[in-house]
Amino acid sequence: KAGVTQTPRYLIKTRGQQVTLSCSPISGHRSVSWYQQTPGQGLQFLFEYFSETQRNKGNFPGRFSGRQFSNSRSEMNVSTLELGDSALYLCASSRSLAGGPEAAHEQYFGPGTRLTVT
Amino acid sequence: AQKVTQAQTEISVVEKEDVTLDCVYETRDTTYYLFWYKQPPSGELVFLIRRNSFDEQNEISGRYSWNFQKSTSSFNFTITASQVVDSAVYFCALRNNAGNMLTFGGGTRLMVKP
Repeated sequence: KAGVTQTPRYLIKTRGQQVTLSCSPISGHRSVSWYQQTPGQGLQFLFEYFSETQRNKGNFPGRFSGRQFSNSRSEMNVSTLELGDSALYLCASSRSLAGGPEAAHEQYFGPGTRLTVT
Repeated sequence: AQKVTQAQTEISVVEKEDVTLDCVYETRDTTYYLFWYKQPPSGELVFLIRRNSFDEQNEISGRYSWNFQKSTSSFNFTITASQVVDSAVYFCALRNNAGNMLTFGGGTRLMVKP
């Protein structure tokens, strides 16, 4: 079974530009979450999507947005990039939301997209 | 608010030593889930274990074992007879029952020297 895939793996952008990152979850998984990892702030939750609806959102500015498609693939967008947006962006997929069968509670992560803003 | 603390930022051991990674959490929820993930240099977070708040049984998987104690809000991870391949950053994480949002600790970098 294929794991979570993220594209691109590496990205270099300049300040003020915008960027779109893509995540394809494990087949059959309907929940996709995004996390930002930086040396200073560690791993921080960005948002979660389930069945094309945003279910939770972390404490990030409106420049960070996302969406999920009917095939559960998800994209996140960062507009007006700032130097501080340089980070590893990780996507995780899970079969369902909390409250489902026990085995559905694991989240599996992709390899990440490393974004560098210059 | 939820919080996960991994007080050990970096641990260095020699191969074959046992090592314990500490994790202390805070939550007001009665139902919650605890996780450990491993992050090798490649960057991908690898799922190791999930433990439910209502199940305090300790677990052993090969050289790995986990000790969950609700009384002290701790979920510690022990690697027995460590190997160089165990070198990585290990994260403890907490999730409540309202969604899939994980709250991560700061991570512990484990270096196993030959």
